[in-house]
Amino acid sequence: AQSVTQLDSQVPVFEEAPVELRCNYSSSVSVYLFWYVQYPNQGLQLLLKYLSGSTLVKGINGFEAEFNKSQTSFHLRKPSVHISDTAEYFCAVFYEGAQKLVFGQGTRLTINP
Amino acid sequence: ETGVTQSPTHLIKTRGQQVTLRCSSQSGHNTVSWYQQALGQGPQFIFQYYREEENGRGNFPPRFSGLQFPNYSSELNVNALELDDSALYLCASSLPGMIMNTEAFFGQGTRLTVV
Repeated sequence: AQSVTQLDSQVPVFEEAPVELRCNYSSSVSVYLFWYVQYPNQGLQLLLKYLSGSTLVKGINGFEAEFNKSQTSFHLRKPSVHISDTAEYFCAVFYEGAQKLVFGQGTRLTINP
Repeated sequence: ETGVTQSPTHLIKTRGQQVTLRCSSQSGHNTVSWYQQALGQGPQFIFQYYREEENGRGNFPPRFSGLQFPNYSSELNVNALELDDSALYLCASSLPGMIMNTEAFFGQGTRLTVV
C-alpha cells in the first residue's frame, strides 16, 4: 500500500534558525516527490518537486529537499527561517503504478521571534 | 494566483442532504482532481477526471461522484451527507502527461460543514 509519513506533526523553531521537516514514504519502483505549503484558509502551493536527476532539489522561498532512495526519504530543509514561513507543510508522493498522489498528514511549522 | 477557482468558499449542510461543489480549472488544464482534507489531516485523493471521464479514484464510497464539462470545469457531488464529510474540499488542475499531477495547481478549497 502507498503511504507517506511525516514524522513530526509540529515543529517550533526560532527565527533565523535552520529547520528540517522529515518525510518518509513506502517504497515503490517509480515515484515522484513533492512538498506543498498551506497557509491558513488557503489551498496548497507547490514548494518543490523531484522527478529525476539530481537528488538535491531547490524550491521557492529558499527551501530545498534531498531525495534519498535507499532511505525512502525526502526531507525538506531551510538554512534560516522567517516569520512568514509559519504554515502547514505537506509531503506528497505520486505513485506512478497506482496513478495516485498520496499526501502525508502535514507538519505545522511555527516560527518564534 | 493559480487560476483555479472553487465555489462556494464555505457551506453548511444538514446530515442526509446532497451537496454540489464547483471548480474552474486553470486555462489549458484538462485534468482535474478532487481531494478531501479533514481537520488536522493531509488531503485524501477522491478522484480524477480527464477529458470528461473519471480515470482514477481513491477509497471513497459511490455517494461521492463527479462530472467534468467540455470547458474542463468540474463538479463534486456528495449524496446522503454524513457528519464525517465535514472537511475542506480541494480541487487541483494539471496538464496530462506521462507523469500526472507534476504541476498540479490547487484552488483555495470549499469548507463544508455537515450538522
